[in-house]
Parts: sequence; C-alpha cells; structure tokens
Amino acid sequence: DAKTTQPTSMDCAEGRAANLPCNHSTISGNEYVYWYRQIHSQGPQYIIHGLKNNETNEMASLIITEDRKSSTLILPHATLRDTAVYYCIRLGSARQLTFGSGTQLTVLP
Amino acid sequence: EAGVAQSPRYKIIEKRQSVAFWCNPISGHATLYWYQQILGQGPKLLIQFQNNGVVDDSQLPKDRFSAERLKGVDSTLKIQPAKLEDSAVYLCASSSILVSEQFFGPGTRLTVL
Repeated sequence: DAKTTQPTSMDCAEGRAANLPCNHSTISGNEYVYWYRQIHSQGPQYIIHGLKNNETNEMASLIITEDRKSSTLILPHATLRDTAVYYCIRLGSARQLTFGSGTQLTVLP
Repeated sequence: EAGVAQSPRYKIIEKRQSVAFWCNPISGHATLYWYQQILGQGPKLLIQFQNNGVVDDSQLPKDRFSAERLKGVDSTLKIQPAKLEDSAVYLCASSSILVSEQFFGPGTRLTVL
C-alpha cells in the first residue's frame, strides 16, 4: 500500500517546467514526503524531501500544500535526461520507502 | 564517493536452480536494504539491515530467500530454489544513520526460465 496517488504518465516539452502532482491525503504529522526518480535500467535516485515547508535544491522544488494532503514536484527546465519514472513516497519513523507505481514523465524534444 | 556496487548485473538461470547476488554499500553506511522490482512495478522492500542485524524481513519469502550481512558491510541475497515469478531486478540500497536518503545500486536483473 503506497498510500500516495500519482498520475500514471505525463509529457513535458523540453525546456519547460515539469509539474508532477502527488496526493497523500492521509499523511500523518510525522511523515515526510520524499521524491525519487528512476531512469530506465538504473536504480532509483533521491531528488528531494520535505515535511511542511516548500523545499528547493539543485534538482527540483517541492511544493507542499498547507494541509499537507498533496504536493507538487517541479523540475524548472526539463531536459531529455529527466525522462524517468517519478515516485512520491511517504516516509515515517521506520525510514522505509514504500514505492507505488509512480508517474512516467516523458520529456519531448 | 563511490556508489553502491552490485554484481552480477545480469543473471539467467533455470527454475529450481540457486542464485546469489552481492552488494557493497557506500562506505560508512550502516543501513542496507534489498528490494525486488518486478517489471512495471515500483521496488518492494525485501529486507533491511542495520549493521549486521536484521531490522525488518517481513516481506522476505523465507522459504526460498535468504540474506546476510556478516561483517556489517557487504551483503548477499540468495534464492534457492528459484521460481519463474522471481524474475525481477534486485536492487540494493544503503543509507547512513544521520540521513534518511537511500542510495541505490544499479541492480541485478534476474531471469528465471
């Protein structure tokens, strides 16, 4: 039970922002939202995580709604190398990742 | 910093044979994870080690799967005997005590014929 809901697939034009939504309406107060991505034939790669506040790093930005029931991962300038499956994951005190099916993001030239 | 190493990268065996996978985590990472990823699905945690002790193996099919991390560093995952449904990519990941970010290896793709 992944406990998050993501669209199965999305397309984005190269150079444009990719906005990937995630619903986690039953998230607990102590659970973080983590995002990983998996490029074809590679292991998953950590992107970003957050609890309540919006976060930004060199890869992406994470916007979490005030009620924490949903979040959006933003890749500001998508490139072809960003084509991957993106996973939104709730992480509790056990620090175990439970992956769902994720969103297949395809960046189009 | 070297990443998580796994070998072999690919393995093809016949059902009822045995197979073993090896993982070398990032130096200093106390926590090691093995995941199974079936085609089209997200990875599923099989077992989690903290140093050389098992933290969670609730999803490991213990009748045929075993894993060990004897010296708290390298780990091996074994399947004996293999079934057709064990065809998957087996991923190893590690993390440090201080941060929860997991670093994944490239995986071993197992095909059971």
